[in-house]
Amino acid sequence: GENVEQHPSTLSVQEGDSAVIKCTYSDSASNYFPWYKQELGKRPQLIIDIRSNVGEKKDQRIAVTLNKTAKHFSLHITETQPEDSAVYFCAAIPVDSSYKLIFGSGTRLLVRP
Amino acid sequence: DTGVSQNPRHKITKRGQNVTFRCDPISEHNRLYWYRQTLGQGPEFLTYFQNEAQLEKSRLLSDRFSAERPKGSFSTLEIQRTEQGDSAMYLCASSLGQSGAFFGQGTRLTVV
Repeated sequence: GENVEQHPSTLSVQEGDSAVIKCTYSDSASNYFPWYKQELGKRPQLIIDIRSNVGEKKDQRIAVTLNKTAKHFSLHITETQPEDSAVYFCAAIPVDSSYKLIFGSGTRLLVRP
Repeated sequence: DTGVSQNPRHKITKRGQNVTFRCDPISEHNRLYWYRQTLGQGPEFLTYFQNEAQLEKSRLLSDRFSAERPKGSFSTLEIQRTEQGDSAMYLCASSLGQSGAFFGQGTRLTVV
């Protein structure tokens, strides 16, 4: 079955700097990759997603890139702000498993003011 | 609120008791998922419905766990004979087709 690995587990950046979180997946048939942000005590919230027919997608300060050959995808946050501090989860949906989301283990991002 | 709704938000129960949680998905969403999340971990898949059909159940899920989605609308997750290891946040999510799932606020279960 699909396995998603996420790195780093924790990331601390200075406000205004960029942050990059990387994930790898094992099932080459996976074709949809969402990213979730979870603030302490709150629900995971979908912030951006990418499909396998696209290499990059951008939404304001957030971008996601996908390398199908290498089976990895990354989240890029530019001009980080303290409110970006949260746990970020990547996920993949393998086509052959009823479209259930398989999550990475999460990255705790701290943006220092 | 047109998002995913879960009840109750918190549940404290004694070991050995049964508990039931409810999830109301976004109305037009045909897929409904249950996940479990413990502190510092990503959501762990439990089970999945497409409309009223339960299509998949995690092999990690013991027989004490059962879920239903009558009429393809709301869903319930029941845990029988709760154990301390069942303490976690239980998250429900829904989606339409192959799209990102939207999560409810979760039910935090504490087994004492």
